[in-house]
Amino acid sequence: NAGVTQTPKFRILKIGQSMTLQCTQDMNHNYMYWYRQDPGMGLKLIYYSVGAGITDKGEVPNGYNVSRSTTEDFPLRLELAAPSQTSVYFCASTGNSYQPQHFGDGTRLSIL
Amino acid sequence: AQTVTQSQPEMSVQEAETVTLSCTYDTSESDYYLFWYKQPPSRQMILVIRQEAYKQQNATENRFSVNFQKAAKSFSLKISDSQLGDAAMYFCAYRSVRFEIKAGNMLTFGGGTRLMVKP
Repeated sequence: NAGVTQTPKFRILKIGQSMTLQCTQDMNHNYMYWYRQDPGMGLKLIYYSVGAGITDKGEVPNGYNVSRSTTEDFPLRLELAAPSQTSVYFCASTGNSYQPQHFGDGTRLSIL
Repeated sequence: AQTVTQSQPEMSVQEAETVTLSCTYDTSESDYYLFWYKQPPSRQMILVIRQEAYKQQNATENRFSVNFQKAAKSFSLKISDSQLGDAAMYFCAYRSVRFEIKAGNMLTFGGGTRLMVKP
């Protein structure tokens, strides 16, 4: 029972590089989310999706893009990495508003 | 927009004793969910307890219980018989239940409280 799986767990990027953080869930959840957690802070929503083909911006979307071509996958793309994007990124999913969100284990990303 | 505030950046408790973590929130909605999540050094986000706003009874989960004061917009977490494994960051979170809200059931998190447990 995998739940929400994020890859990679750690990554170091140089300024200006691009990368995709992968997130997949095997619970057939419609709702998926990307959060970032800066040191000593709570999580802030980057993007979310309410179903395949539907995405929308959260609180802090600048510098990121997402896609949702399938129910299972919700990748997060950084096009031009900046030091301000150094953070821990969490993917989460839920089936409906009455269920709690299930979180992946996070990706620690450093931009140098 | 909803906001969640945790006014205690750090708390400490002696093993086997009881500790209460505070959380206040601001909302104009009458129906919503409140959560406490635990984040140990492994970084996992682990759901501790959930409270539905329409329920007057406080939620409990084994050694964890909440004191939900809807009028005061307060949602504190009580940990009884504290154990070394309870040491972690604890986050309070709010979620609306209105489907028409644009944010698709997003969670709004507080800044967290770091709990240290002394042996």
